[in-house]
Amino acid sequence: ETGVTQSPTHLIKTRGQQVTLRCSSQSGHNTVSWYQQALGQGPQFIFQYYREEENGRGNFPPRFSGLQFPNYSSELNVNALELDDSALYLCASSRIAAYEQYFGPGTRLTVT
Amino acid sequence: QKEVEQDPGPLSVPEGAIVSLNCTYSNSAFQYFMWYRQYSRKGPELLMYTYSSGNKEDGRFTAQVDKSSKYISLFIRDSQPSDSATYLCAMDSGGSNYKLTFGKGTLLTVNP
Repeated sequence: ETGVTQSPTHLIKTRGQQVTLRCSSQSGHNTVSWYQQALGQGPQFIFQYYREEENGRGNFPPRFSGLQFPNYSSELNVNALELDDSALYLCASSRIAAYEQYFGPGTRLTVT
Repeated sequence: QKEVEQDPGPLSVPEGAIVSLNCTYSNSAFQYFMWYRQYSRKGPELLMYTYSSGNKEDGRFTAQVDKSSKYISLFIRDSQPSDSATYLCAMDSGGSNYKLTFGKGTLLTVNP
């Protein structure tokens, strides 16, 4: 069984730029959630995708957007990057109606 | 008041000690409770998952949930240096939006 994978591992961007992060869900999982984890904090829920539709969103502005593809992989896009967007971005997959979520290794984004 | 409170530590114990990690929460709608382990610069790994009140045991790990007190615990018996990590509690209220709310995490070091 293949686990959750994310790419890239690390990324450095400049304030104002745009970034796309990618996630492949675990085999058999059809739901993908994205979380932002700032240094020394717990992960914060950004949004979740199921059947290629957004299925809930946390307290993040519209410049955070996402996509889910028919193979259940997903992208997180962030426009107009701000310094505070520097964080570890985590993708988690699960089966719909299952509360256990399985996380990938994360993408560490640094905004300078 | 944050929805989930967790003492960030750090907590340092000798090898073989019993470790107790705790979280309190304010949202009485939470029904699903999870503990994740996160090694430095890695994604969270699901350790334990419980529904509603009660105890659940898995090897050296025991999770307890007391919904009347809004208090959850994770006990680690015979702690090992490999248990050194950040432990995150996470909760979900159920429904169609499977959003996890995390504590800040407790940094645990087990000294050989």
